[in-house]
Amino acid sequence: NAGVTQTPKFRILKIGQSMTLQCTQDMNHNYMYWYRQDPGMGLKLIYYSVGAGITDKGEVPNGYNVSRSTTEDFPLRLELAAPSQTSVYFCASSYPLGPPGTGELFFGEGSRLTVL
Amino acid sequence: GESVGLHLPTLSVQEGDNSIINCAYSNSASDYFIWYKQESGKGPQFIIDIRSNMDKRQGQRVTVLLNKTVKHLSLQIAATQPGDSAVYFCAEIGGATNKLIFGTGTLLAVQP
Repeated sequence: NAGVTQTPKFRILKIGQSMTLQCTQDMNHNYMYWYRQDPGMGLKLIYYSVGAGITDKGEVPNGYNVSRSTTEDFPLRLELAAPSQTSVYFCASSYPLGPPGTGELFFGEGSRLTVL
Repeated sequence: GESVGLHLPTLSVQEGDNSIINCAYSNSASDYFIWYKQESGKGPQFIIDIRSNMDKRQGQRVTVLLNKTVKHLSLQIAATQPGDSAVYFCAEIGGATNKLIFGTGTLLAVQP
């Protein structure tokens, strides 16, 4: 199993450009998440999905959009990129959280985005 | 609103000593807590979890303690090793949501 795969690993955008961060998982997890992590900070939840066709906002959804057409894929779209969106973006997947399962999220390696 | 925070942003310990990383949470409805470890340049990795109906849980070299009265969570690492150097995050799931909310993180630096 490859686990959670994110592409691209690095990207530089100009202000106002748009792009999509790709995320795919091969563990048949229903739950998928997008987090952003600013330097020296914790992870902030952008969007999450509990299954194909279902998405919901996290803590910091403004400026982003997501879709979940399949169980495997959960792309994150940035529209009109701004310098404040410079960050490392992590995609993750899991089984349903909490008892009787665990709180284990499986993370990708991250996508480092710089907006200039 | 919901928030999870840490008392110490940086913790420096000697190799072989025990480490204690603390975390405060504010959401009384949170019923599930998790500790994650993040090494430089990598995504977070699950360490250990604890349910709100427990006050202690042990793993391999790690123990998590939960004090619901004062909304405090701690992670104890026994015989700290250089490989334990990383940022440690506590995280919580609140009530009926499926959102895992992370705290700010503590950098653990292990001195040889």
